[in-house]
Amino acid sequence: KNQVEQSPQSLIILEGKNCTLQCNYTVSPFSNLRWYKQDTGRGPVSLTIMTFSENTKSNGRYTATLDADTKQSSLHITASQLSDSASYICVVSEGTNDYKLSFGAGTTVTVRA
Amino acid sequence: DGGITQSPKYLFRKEGQNVTLSCEQNLNHDAMYWYRQDPGQGLRLIYYSQIVNDFQKGDIAEGYSVSREKKESFPLTVTSAQKNPTAFYLCASSIRTSGNEQYFGPGTRLTVT
Repeated sequence: KNQVEQSPQSLIILEGKNCTLQCNYTVSPFSNLRWYKQDTGRGPVSLTIMTFSENTKSNGRYTATLDADTKQSSLHITASQLSDSASYICVVSEGTNDYKLSFGAGTTVTVRA
Repeated sequence: DGGITQSPKYLFRKEGQNVTLSCEQNLNHDAMYWYRQDPGQGLRLIYYSQIVNDFQKGDIAEGYSVSREKKESFPLTVTSAQKNPTAFYLCASSIRTSGNEQYFGPGTRLTVT
């Protein structure tokens, strides 16, 4: 069964600090990996998308990395802001059925002033 | 949330009653999806539709039904056969099912007592 595991489950950081979220997956064959941000009670919004050949992708203060050999990805948040408080979800697409997405349970980030 | 709307945002029903959740998109997307989100778990696919008048079961379709009579609309009915219907329901759409990013609506929180 294809799985996506995220860690930590939750974390608290002070405003202005950096943090890194981890994602390990067993999805095979692999098509692409996305990171989504989900505010409480809202739908997820895409932050980055990476294919097999991409190692890193940035979107403002968000930087995602991908190691397709070890099936690991990370999302780094730089200089956190209060608005970064949200759940961050790692989503992996299967290579043969790209509509079929495997979702991680998410990491809940709380940024404190 | 793009051009996807879900209504209502909160829905309360008594056990044994069927309830229909609305999902409308104005993105001209062919594909639409319904997911269920429970605390501590990744999103799980209920149904998806690649084109009007066609839909397929996802991983957890039991107790749910859908219709796709119009390109813009993909309503989900939660029937009394669904054993644990209380959850956050997310609708999404993409240009096609293959190789395209899914855009999510704001979600409907259903509580059944």
